[in-house]
Amino acid sequence: KAGVTQTPRYLIKTRGQQVTLSCSPISGHRSVSWYQQTPGQGLQFLFEYFSETQRNKGNFPGRFSGRQFSNSRSEMNVSTLELGDSALYLCASSWTGHKGDTQYFGPGTRLTVL
Amino acid sequence: DAKTTQPTSMDCAEGRAANLPCNHSTISGNEYVYWYRQIHSQGPQYIIHGLKNNETNEMASLIITEDRKSSTLILPHATLRDTAVYYCIVRVADSGNTPLVFGKGTRLSVIA
Repeated sequence: KAGVTQTPRYLIKTRGQQVTLSCSPISGHRSVSWYQQTPGQGLQFLFEYFSETQRNKGNFPGRFSGRQFSNSRSEMNVSTLELGDSALYLCASSWTGHKGDTQYFGPGTRLTVL
Repeated sequence: DAKTTQPTSMDCAEGRAANLPCNHSTISGNEYVYWYRQIHSQGPQYIIHGLKNNETNEMASLIITEDRKSSTLILPHATLRDTAVYYCIVRVADSGNTPLVFGKGTRLSVIA
């Protein structure tokens, strides 16, 4: 079974631009979570989607948003990019997200903001 | 904040067992212990998880103390490819999806 895939793997943007990252979960998984990893803050939870609805959200500004499609694929968007948004963005999927079922991570998208 | 305490770094000789400790003294009865690892700049890889019984899979063994306040991840025969940051995470296992809260983890270096 294929793992979680993320596209693109690398991205370079400039301040003020916006960016959209994509995540395809493991087949059959319906919950998708997004995390940001930076050297200073480590791995931090952004939000989680299940059945096209945002079910949980971390402590990030409104510039960070996401959505999930009926096939469980998910996208996250960052508007008005800042230098501090440079990070590894990770997507993780699980069957339903209930009862603490295991999350499996993709390889990440490395975003560099210049 | 992470609810676990791990050593910052550890070394292990190739071929020997790597024993990574984790302290989770405030763990609740409905919380699992999860272990993930992250090889440089890749996505975290799930290793194993447990509630109160010891667990073993093809990658590792998880030993949880009887009072559940600490645990040890054991890689039985460490190889150079096991060099990574290992995260011990405590997570509620009830209905609804609680996010993983990562601490700083333990940087394991496997030495030839």
